[in-house]
Amino acid sequence: EPEVTQTPSHQVTQMGQEVILRCVPISNHLYFYWYRQILGQKVEFLVSFYNNEISEKSEIFDDQFSVERPDGSNFTLKIRSTKLEDSAMYFCASSEAGLGSNEQFFGPGTRLTVL
Amino acid sequence: AQKVTQAQTEISVVEKEDVTLDCVYETRDTTYYLFWYKQPPSGELVFLIRRNSFDEQNEISGRYSWNFQKSTSSFNFTITASQVVDSAVYFCALSGGPTSGTYKYIFGTGTRLKVLA
Repeated sequence: EPEVTQTPSHQVTQMGQEVILRCVPISNHLYFYWYRQILGQKVEFLVSFYNNEISEKSEIFDDQFSVERPDGSNFTLKIRSTKLEDSAMYFCASSEAGLGSNEQFFGPGTRLTVL
Repeated sequence: AQKVTQAQTEISVVEKEDVTLDCVYETRDTTYYLFWYKQPPSGELVFLIRRNSFDEQNEISGRYSWNFQKSTSSFNFTITASQVVDSAVYFCALSGGPTSGTYKYIFGTGTRLKVLA
């Protein structure tokens, strides 16, 4: 069964460093998403991406964040200068289309720890 | 605005008890989708169910059942004869439709279920 994969599973970085979180969405999916979950809190939407453009972003997704689909398979989230409060689990998701009827499939997450 | 409320922060039950997790939502969409996810200690999100706003039939899957009531904007989840393996955080989520024009998932704050042996 196709699944969304994410690497690495755990990333530790120093404050101020840049990190790139990687995701491989399901191959025939066209819409991609990033969500964040601070430890012990709810899952929050960050950004959705379609046709090489951001289609929607939350107020969390500020200038420190960027997303990219560098090739036909990967979808990345970059945090330019990490802060302590960026420590969280980051989930990638993909869906066939951007409608609510199309289920988003979630990856296993990348746990980011900023020291 | 779209919102999901899970008022129960934590529930503890003894194994074999039935337990209901509450979910109340707000949306201005007439077409929308509701979800339940399980998050075990390992951290991944495990999909349990998706329900669209036009289907108010209750659903049963093994020991799990869901009660969707549009009149009260609720989508409650019941585990029958709970087991220790059911211990996890459970999230209810909402996805919008054409009126709001947003299809991101809005998650509730989750309910931590502890099933004691």
